[in-house]
Amino acid sequence: DTAVSQTPKYLVTQMGNDKSIKCEQNLGHDTMYWYKQDSKKFLKIMFSYNNKELIINETVPNRFSPKSPDKAHLNLHINSLELGDSAVYFCASSQVTGYVLTFGAGSRLTVL
Amino acid sequence: SQQGEEDPQALSIQEGENATMNCSYKTSINNLQWYRQNSGRGLVHLILIRSNEREKHSGRLRVTLDTSKKSSSLLITASRAADTASYFCATDEGTNAGKSTFGDGTTLTVKP
Repeated sequence: DTAVSQTPKYLVTQMGNDKSIKCEQNLGHDTMYWYKQDSKKFLKIMFSYNNKELIINETVPNRFSPKSPDKAHLNLHINSLELGDSAVYFCASSQVTGYVLTFGAGSRLTVL
Repeated sequence: SQQGEEDPQALSIQEGENATMNCSYKTSINNLQWYRQNSGRGLVHLILIRSNEREKHSGRLRVTLDTSKKSSSLLITASRAADTASYFCATDEGTNAGKSTFGDGTTLTVKP
C-alpha cells in the first residue's frame, strides 16, 4: 500500500524519558512534515524537510529533534519529556512543498 | 496565532440535510484546502481551491473562496452518517517554505 506510515501508534511514558517516533512514506514525495495536534484538535506544524534539508523549524523546544536520513524517512526524537508534550503527532508528506498533504495515522504520546 | 478560524465549532444535522462550515483567515494566500479527520485517524485531503478560483466542486462537496473577505466555505450536500468527522481548512501563504496553517476545525455529527 502506498502511504505514510508512522510508528508507534501509541506511546505511554514517564516524564523525563526520551522517545522517538518514526515515519516513512513510499509515495516518492520530496517534502515531509511533523505536525502536533493537541487535545482541542489544534494542529500546528513543527518541522518540514525537503529532500533531507530542514526548511521549516517552528518555535519548538530544542528537546525536539527531527532527523531525515533520506527523503522517504523523517523521525522525531524527543528528550526529557514533559507533561505538555502529550499530544498526537502526525507525520505528513507532499509532492510539492506547500501542496496537498498526505497524513499518517498519528502517534498518540501520553506523558505521565 | 492561528491563521484560520472555523465556524461553527460544532454542527449536528440529520442525514440528508446539507452542512455548511466556514473558514476565515488573516493573510494573503496561494491556495486553501479542506481536510477531513475521522475520530482517531489522520487527516484526509478533500479539495484544494486556488486564490484565483471562486468555486470548486467535488462530488457532494462544494467549496467557495472569497479572497476579498478572506473566507471560504465548505458545503456538504445530502449528508450521510459516514460524513461524521472534523473538518479543517488549511491555508498556504505561498512562501517558499510551503507551510500549511490549519484552522481550529468544525466537528460535524450527522445523525442517521
